[in-house]
Amino acid sequence: IAGITQAPTSQILAAGRRMTLRCTQDMRHNAMYWYRQDLGLGLRLIHYSNTAGTTGKGEVPDGYSVSRANTDDFPLTLASAVPSQTSVYFCASSGIRTGLYYGYTFGSGTRLTVV
Amino acid sequence: DQQVKQNSPSLSVQEGRISILNCDYTNSMFDYFLWYKKYPAEGPTFLISISSIKDKNEDGRFTVFLNKSAKHLSLHIVPSQPGDSAVYFCAASFWIGTASKLTFGTGTRLQVTL
Repeated sequence: IAGITQAPTSQILAAGRRMTLRCTQDMRHNAMYWYRQDLGLGLRLIHYSNTAGTTGKGEVPDGYSVSRANTDDFPLTLASAVPSQTSVYFCASSGIRTGLYYGYTFGSGTRLTVV
Repeated sequence: DQQVKQNSPSLSVQEGRISILNCDYTNSMFDYFLWYKKYPAEGPTFLISISSIKDKNEDGRFTVFLNKSAKHLSLHIVPSQPGDSAVYFCAASFWIGTASKLTFGTGTRLQVTL
């Protein structure tokens, strides 16, 4: 089934540790995104990539980094996790044009708890 | 600055009745407005969208209305069903550079009761 795969599904992480959240899509979408969902704050964009080899900062990029070595993969790295990064993280992708009116396809999310 | 706002965090509606979810926005440059539905432990899924040049779009039980002068849109679900119980996110998109960008509201939790 075409879509987005995120791993892990959930993780408990000690503060100060490094963590990479994985995201792979098989739809050949050019654009990919990372969002975090927090109660009362909705979905906030962390980083995005319009095409392989390029990345950009979203609303809340501090403490996170991304890379886009190829079309399919878009990992999100927390270099040194802090408790405020406890959240549910969603990876998404879209076609360049279709994202405008069909929005994005989302993965099932990674629930991260930093203790 | 929250450009897309959903002021009602929750809504409870009886099965068979109409559900109306509201959304306000501040940026006149948005090209499309979208509604997403989210079940627990799943990612958001696209439900319906409307172009900024339209005032209504209908898809089965779901209708979205856009009032540009008031910068307001609403999602109507008629008739509401228990399976519609979920969190609904309003979003707005615009073209920037070489791609689209989505901005989300904070969500409204809909509960459809029997």
